[in-house]
Amino acid sequence: DAKTTQPPSMDCAEGRAANLPCNHSTISGNEYVYWYRQIHSQGPQYIIHGLKNNETNEMASLIITEDRKSSTLILPHATLRDTAVYYCIVRVPTTGNQFYFGTGTSLTVIP
Amino acid sequence: GAVVSQHPSRVICKSGTSVKIECRSLDFQATTMFWYRQFPKQSLMLMATSNEGSKATYEQGVEKDKFLINHASLTLSTLTVTSAHPEDSSFYICSARDLSGRTTTYNEQFFGPGTRLTVL
Repeated sequence: DAKTTQPPSMDCAEGRAANLPCNHSTISGNEYVYWYRQIHSQGPQYIIHGLKNNETNEMASLIITEDRKSSTLILPHATLRDTAVYYCIVRVPTTGNQFYFGTGTSLTVIP
Repeated sequence: GAVVSQHPSRVICKSGTSVKIECRSLDFQATTMFWYRQFPKQSLMLMATSNEGSKATYEQGVEKDKFLINHASLTLSTLTVTSAHPEDSSFYICSARDLSGRTTTYNEQFFGPGTRLTVL
């Protein structure tokens, strides 16, 4: 079962930063937080992941709170192509390292 | 990043027939692949974990005799929906993990583009 909760939808103005929150209050010490996004009728695309420290790559930044109970994905300059459903996933470190997707946040970037 | 393909991208079949969906890792070897199902306006639901050379592990509530999974090589997993019915109509997505470390830093899953199954 998914261990994350996210707001169902958000809007963001084009060119502004999009901040997408995620709660994972039951996360364990060795569980990573992953972010993926899915554009309509396509497979999910990897964005970023982290364990404790904040992370940044060419797509986004990931801010994880010190207690690790929540995180925020930041798209620094949102474009219309960033309109998608964003999923925050806590990877369960079982033998298979499965992903259990939550409901995600539908982000709409407005011109 | 690593590329995962699925074939076919779209299939329409009659009720009672079987449909096979292929998932291939194109530029890496995948010892583990995953199959998901997604209904309209819903999230992805993990169906099963497919390990090369061994039996798949199914999630609770997923009928293993209805959704047959074969992972005979390090680059190919297949999902066969047997005796498909209209309620099996869905978007089926596979993903794969690259354990070599060449295309990933740690345990990302690379997803295929999905297969839209419509059962009439």
